[in-house]
Amino acid sequence: GDSVTQTEGLVTLTKGLPVMLNCTYQTTYSPFLFWYVQHLNEAPKLLLKSSTDNKRTEHQGFYATLHKSSSSFHLQKSSVQLSDSALYFCALSDPYGNEKITFGAGTKLTIKP
Amino acid sequence: EAAVTQSPRSKVAVTGGKVTLSCHQTNNHDYMYWYRQDTGHGLRLIHYSYVADSTEKGDIPDGYKASRPSQENFSLILELASLSQTAVYFCASQGQSQNTLYFGAGTRLSVL
Repeated sequence: GDSVTQTEGLVTLTKGLPVMLNCTYQTTYSPFLFWYVQHLNEAPKLLLKSSTDNKRTEHQGFYATLHKSSSSFHLQKSSVQLSDSALYFCALSDPYGNEKITFGAGTKLTIKP
Repeated sequence: EAAVTQSPRSKVAVTGGKVTLSCHQTNNHDYMYWYRQDTGHGLRLIHYSYVADSTEKGDIPDGYKASRPSQENFSLILELASLSQTAVYFCASQGQSQNTLYFGAGTRLSVL
């Protein structure tokens, strides 16, 4: 079946530094990839998404590029803020973005002053 | 914005008891999902539904049943609650030909 791997469970950074959260996946089809963000005691919300190979997608200062050759969709930001502290989930679905959506285990990002 | 409402927001249940978690959406979405969140496991799919009166098993359906009596409502039922079902449960909806999940606020379930 499909799988999503997020290698970092916990990431702690100082405000202003860059961040990259890793996401790799396994699937037999050409997928839709997502990043969802969940702030403390809130519901997960979509951060960004993509199904286009080698095209950078950006939202709220975060960006990611889907690389089908390496099955990766890493999330990056050039300068993190205190408000970026949250749980980040990578997820994949079928090419149309519907049906069963598979999530990774999540990465908890903590930003220190 | 899309609205998904879960009830109750928190619940304490006894082992062996029956628990029903409810989800209501006003988005006119066809797809609805129940996820379970545990630390270190992310979000795992329990059951989902494409249409009223039909449900599908997700990745971890054992110990759970689901009911979709209408397009707007989707319930998760634990017939015999167990300690291992202590978790936070999220309901989500998704429109056909769309690909964004809209989550409810979650239900924190503690089974004692």
